[in-house]
Amino acid sequence: QKEVEQDPGPLSVPEGAIVSLNCTYSNSAFQYFMWYRQYSRKGPELLMYTYSSGNKEDGRFTAQVDKSSKYISLFIRDSQPSDSATYLCAMSGYKLSFGAGTTVTVRA
Amino acid sequence: ETGVTQTPRHLVMGMTNKKSLKCEQHLGHNAMYWYKQSAKKPLELMFVYSLEERVENNSVPSRFSPECPNSSHLFLHLHTLQPEDSALYLCASSQDRVSYGYTFGSGTRLTVV
Repeated sequence: QKEVEQDPGPLSVPEGAIVSLNCTYSNSAFQYFMWYRQYSRKGPELLMYTYSSGNKEDGRFTAQVDKSSKYISLFIRDSQPSDSATYLCAMSGYKLSFGAGTTVTVRA
Repeated sequence: ETGVTQTPRHLVMGMTNKKSLKCEQHLGHNAMYWYKQSAKKPLELMFVYSLEERVENNSVPSRFSPECPNSSHLFLHLHTLQPEDSALYLCASSQDRVSYGYTFGSGTRLTVV
């Protein structure tokens, strides 16, 4: 079993739709949960991070963590074509473990 | 441009060549990392340096050889690579070994022919 599971997609949505991304994990030691965004021909950039279970909102982005279910989510409201990218979840205990990334395309 | 700069951006090399990837960070971070990114696969951690000392080597073949001459620079020396080594090689840095916020460079797209 992989330490972090993430559906690679691809996911295609119309502009203005809500994008829903998620990851599951197996390691109970993970404490910090992150989402990175990676544009084509660029390295990943940290988008959001959370510690422990709950929700965190930042503009159009909401990150959710459910430690009891070992499940994290990222929601993008009112999606824009500029949100088209690959989104990687990452989790940190002693070291950072990444998901495979989900490629998202927002159609104008 | 991010605070982590990688050169070259693209590299094509034969299996008998020797080349080096370079990474430079201007953030005052104390930890630096090499990752391999292949299509549809999670980022694979290759090497970790903390305060210029290699602290992790994740069973990487010896044809990959890292070097960290100071806290701002990281190299990945390549020799006798295989076609399956073709991938995007990413350098990252963080404030320290246990920080969660990594800053990545744009990567070097390596093709082994």
